[in-house]
Parts: sequence; C-alpha cells; structure tokens
Amino acid sequence: QVQLVQSGAEVKKPGASLRVSCKASGYTFTTLDINWVRQATGQGLEWMGWMSPNSGNTGYAPKFRGRFTISRDTSISTAYMELTSLTSEDTAVYFCASGPPGQPRIDYWGQGTLVTVSS
Amino acid sequence: QSVLTQPPSVSAAPGQKVTISCSGSSSNIGSNSVSWYQQLPGTAPKFLIYDNDKRPSGIPDRFSGSKSGTSATLGITGLQTGDEADYYCGTWDNSLSAFVFGTGTEVTVL
Repeated sequence: QVQLVQSGAEVKKPGASLRVSCKASGYTFTTLDINWVRQATGQGLEWMGWMSPNSGNTGYAPKFRGRFTISRDTSISTAYMELTSLTSEDTAVYFCASGPPGQPRIDYWGQGTLVTVSS
Repeated sequence: QSVLTQPPSVSAAPGQKVTISCSGSSSNIGSNSVSWYQQLPGTAPKFLIYDNDKRPSGIPDRFSGSKSGTSATLGITGLQTGDEADYYCGTWDNSLSAFVFGTGTEVTVL
C-alpha cells in the first residue's frame, strides 16, 4: 500500500530555514506527483506547491514563491521541502501528499510534521 | 483567503443527509474537476471524491459529489457519528497556477 512517511517535529527560531523529508513506499516514486500542504492550528488546508519526481519540474503557490523549494532524491524515493526566512506565521503542520500527474486531486497523504517557530 | 467558499458548518441527525457547497469561479471550478477531502480531528486528510463525482476504492456510496458551472456539492447520506469531520473541496486554479482548497466545512452529527 502507498505510504508517505515524514520526518519528525521541528522547533525553529524566527529567520531560520526548515527542511522536511517525505519517504514514499508502496509504489514507483516517479509515477505520482508530490504536493506539500500545510495547516495552522484551527485553520484550513493551504497548498504550497508540487513536484514531478519524474522530471523534477515544480510549481509553487504565489504566496510561497521565492522562499519555498521542493526537491527529491529518486534513489531513495524521498522528497524534501525547504522553507526559508521562517516567522511565527509558519507555525503549522506540514503534509506531503501524492497524486496522479496533471490531475486536480491528492490521493495519498503523509502523517504530517508539526513545525513550531518561536524565539 | 481561499478562492473556494464553503459554509463553515452543517449539521444533521444520525441517518439524515447533509450537503456541502463549494463555490468558485471560471478560473477554477468552472474549468477543472473538483476533489473532496475528509479530515477527522487530529489526522491527515483523506481522499474522498475525484473528477467531481467519482469515489476512490473503499469510499462508501453514502458519499457523493456533483458539479454545476462554478459550484460543486458534496453529499453525505445515512449520516453517522464517524462522519463528524472537516470537509474540504479542492481544484486547480488556472489564474493562480496553483491548487486551491475550499475554506472547509465542519460536519456535526446531532
């Protein structure tokens, strides 16, 4: 079965950078796009961006362009997200999630990674 | 602020039906198919509906979806206490070149 396993919780200082990993199993890593979605406490889902593990192509939500990057290592079926210049507004649970290329749907979700930004 | 608008909450008694609306525009729902997600408290979202009205394997037929113009609707019949969750619609927005989620709707079983 498809599984997306994310790295553990993080505590960061304002201004720092964040890196979260997402290891995929149960399918061929290059056949599904990877998305990153975040959710602040008590708030809704916010899509951040996507990557094609096959081509390496990426797309980012306007709000995050310039400080958000998705990358991957196909040899270990793992995707990464990096968010720079953190502020308290970035405190949230971050989810990696996968779905068929080019389709407006997200089929599989990781367990989420809680990120706290605090001085 | 999301470009897809949902009612904050809906409720009904066990066994009854609820519908959740998702209102968008020509650049998102009007041009692309809609998916729906269920998020139980403290858990990751779960994929519920795709291509406006199709259910992934394992999703009961109590859940249904539809789309008309720039709006979509999720229906849940035979409401159960286990259906208490937040529900989100989602689609691609051509103007933003981004996937967008609805504002989310909390379903309460009375």
